[in-house]
Parts: sequence; structure tokens; C-alpha cells
Amino acid sequence: GAGVSQSPSNKVTEKGKDVELRCDPISGHTALYWYRQRLGQGLEFLIYFQGNSAPDKSGLPSDRFSAERTGESVSTLTIQRTQQEDSAVYLCASSPFSPSEQYFGPGTRLTVT
Amino acid sequence: AQSVTQPDIHITVSEGASLELRCNYSYGATPYLFWYVQSPGQGLQLLLKYFSGDTLVQGIKGFEAEFKRSQSSFNLRKPSVHWSDAAEYFCAVGITGGGNKLTFGTGTQLKVEL
Repeated sequence: GAGVSQSPSNKVTEKGKDVELRCDPISGHTALYWYRQRLGQGLEFLIYFQGNSAPDKSGLPSDRFSAERTGESVSTLTIQRTQQEDSAVYLCASSPFSPSEQYFGPGTRLTVT
Repeated sequence: AQSVTQPDIHITVSEGASLELRCNYSYGATPYLFWYVQSPGQGLQLLLKYFSGDTLVQGIKGFEAEFKRSQSSFNLRKPSVHWSDAAEYFCAVGITGGGNKLTFGTGTQLKVEL
């Protein structure tokens, strides 16, 4: 079946602009996660959605970052007023329930110039 | 807060040789433990996981890992490495009761010499 998909695959933006990243999880997966991977580093947890529960936003680095998820489908991660330190690969993962293994998408590479 | 340490940033092995990648974690309870592999241009692929039970777990591609509570370790092993195993390997810890959001190590880059 189809895996987790993310779009765009690459995004170059100017400092100060807003960007929106999209994640389509595996159908039927109730849990969805966003992570950030800076160059040469491991992944950092950003936010977690589980069904209709309130999201766990404990990993968001600043109030410029926000995310939404409609039901158990697509999620968008929005970064407002982008900064150069936001340059990273943003990875989305979904899992059929929690706890369970997470299935990762290919990521969106964000470059802020 | 939980943390994961992968002490080896780079490892080079010859094809056919055995491999062990180290992972140590810090967490107050028994964690969920994972190993993922990331090849260039590819997403993260799960190699194996530990939730409970048998402390020696088998994964895909001939990999195995052993959970040692006394050493807070979850080292990844493979008896004979293939050139296609060259990639970056990440160990991760999931919080029990915390939605299983993962904390990752910084990764170990594996190079395989032919």
C-alpha cells in the first residue's frame, strides 16, 4: 500500500517568509508525528497528533511553528517568519496506534536563504 | 528527560565482517527501543524494535539487537555486513505512556569497504 507522503520534497524560501509543509499519512493510521533533522544531527520531535485528542506540542521550538491535522488524515506544518536556523529536513511519520512503530515519509528539505 | 547516545559517529568495516553499533539510553523506566536506517535520499526505515519480552530481537536484513537493562544499552549487530548496508543508523527511544514520541541518537555513519 501507499506509504507516508510529504510535499513539497524541496522548498527554498527567503528569510521572513511563511512556509507550509504537508504530510499525508498511511490510511487508517491514527497517530501522526513531525520531526526535524538538522544537518548531521538526529531527529528532534516537534509535535504529535493522536486521533481527536489535543496534540502534544511540547517539541515545537518557538511560537513561529504550528501544525494542524484534520481528523485522521493530512497534516500541515506551518513555519512563520522563517529564519536561517529553520533550514532542515522535516519528516513526518504515522503509526496505526500508539505505541507502535512509526513509518516515516521521505521528508521535506527546507532551505531558508 | 530521556536521551540517547550513539558514541560512534563513523564506523568502517570490510564486507563480510561482523558489525556492532552501540546505543546507550537514559530513561527512568523501561523504554521502547528502535533502530532505524537512513540511506542517501531515502526515508527512515525501521530495522527492529523492542517493546517487551525477549531481550534479543531480530529485524530485517539480518540485523539483531539486544536490550541490556543493566547497561542501558540496545546495541545493533550483524554477523556479516554487505556493501548495501552502507548507510546511517539511528537508535531511538520511545516514551512509555507518552505517545511514543521518539528521541533519537545523533546517528552512526557506516561505511563498507569492498
